[in-house]
Amino acid sequence: NAGVTQTPKFRVLKTGQSMTLLCAQDMNHEYMYWYRQDPGMGLRLIHYSVGEGTTAKGEVPDGYNVSRLKKQNFLLGLESAAPSQTSVYFCASSEERTSGRWETQYFGPGTRLLVL
Amino acid sequence: SQQGEEDPQALSIQEGENATMNCSYKTSINNLQWYRQNSGRGLVHLILIRSNEREKHSGRLRVTLDTSKKSSSLLITASRAADTASYFCAPFTGGGNKLTFGTGTQLKVEL
Repeated sequence: NAGVTQTPKFRVLKTGQSMTLLCAQDMNHEYMYWYRQDPGMGLRLIHYSVGEGTTAKGEVPDGYNVSRLKKQNFLLGLESAAPSQTSVYFCASSEERTSGRWETQYFGPGTRLLVL
Repeated sequence: SQQGEEDPQALSIQEGENATMNCSYKTSINNLQWYRQNSGRGLVHLILIRSNEREKHSGRLRVTLDTSKKSSSLLITASRAADTASYFCAPFTGGGNKLTFGTGTQLKVEL
């Protein structure tokens, strides 16, 4: 299994441009999450999904949108990128609640985004 | 969910020594998890300790949990250079299956 993969690995955007980050997992996990990591701030939850077709806001959702049309994919969109969105973005997934390991999250390798 | 706060922020030790890092949190939890992040990589789950457990071992890792003090500690014994990484604790309350991470402890193990 590839686990959790993220595309792209690195991207440079100009202010105002849009882009979509793709997260894919091949573990049939029910839950998926998007975090951003900034120096000195730890990881902060942007949006998450508790199942296909569902999404919910996390701690810092402003400026981002998400979609979970397929169970294995979770997309994070930036409609109009701002320099404040320069960060490293991590996707994670976890099993459904009936699983004995549902609380554990599995992370992707990250996407580095630079907004100029 | 709630944020854990790790202490110290940075720790530098010699290979072979033990490394201890601490975590404090504010409210009741279902469990507390520890994750490791190597530089430039995603987080990796290390160990989970439930609220009714006081101590748990996994290889060279030993985790303790004191729910009365709302604190946990992670001990890495006989550290190796490969243990150099950032370590995060994540208290889990069960709500929405969400974790909240602190800023972590940066561990450097020198040869």
